Amino acid sequence: DAGVTQSPTHLIKTRGQHVTLRCSPISGHKSVSWYQQVLGQGPQFIFQYYEKEERGRGNFPDRFSARQFPNYSSELNVNALLLGDSALYLCASSLVGGSAEAFFGQGTRLTVV
Amino acid sequence: GIQVEQSPPDLILQEGANSTLRCNFSDSVNNLQWFHQNPWGQLINLFYIPSGTKQNGRLSATTVATERYSLLYISSSQTTDSGVYFCAVELGFGNEKLTFGTGTRLTIIP
Repeated sequence: DAGVTQSPTHLIKTRGQHVTLRCSPISGHKSVSWYQQVLGQGPQFIFQYYEKEERGRGNFPDRFSARQFPNYSSELNVNALLLGDSALYLCASSLVGGSAEAFFGQGTRLTVV
Repeated sequence: GIQVEQSPPDLILQEGANSTLRCNFSDSVNNLQWFHQNPWGQLINLFYIPSGTKQNGRLSATTVATERYSLLYISSSQTTDSGVYFCAVELGFGNEKLTFGTGTRLTIIP
């Protein structure tokens, strides 16, 4: 069975640009969460979606947005990129919204120059 | 918010040695997971262990929920065990995000 898949794996963008990251959860999983991991730190929660509804939002500016599609895949969008947005973006999927084991994709490494 | 602290922050061991990594958390939790992050950034699931003890090969974990800590044991370390180990907790009851600890960087020397 395929695990959580993310695309692209690497991305270089210029300050001020917009980026879209994509995530496909494990088959049968209905919840997708997004995390940002900057160098030397643990992942920080950005969003959680369950059954296409937003279930949680972390302490990130409105430049960050996400959505979940009817097939449970998800997109994370970041507008007006800043140098500080350079990070590894991780997607996690789980069967349900909470109290369930989360499985992570390989991540998208975003570099903003 | 909940605080999650891991110790030690760094650990360097000879191949074949045993190690114990600790995770302390400041509130009652509904879920606790241990992950190994490899050099390419992938978070590998080790244990889903909100309470009790589990074993998987050379690795085992114990969570004492009432005392708000979890331990990860690695026996007979191999160089492939190198990387960063994270514990992550979920409060539950409407707060379902994972809060990650500070991580332990483990280096196994041949």
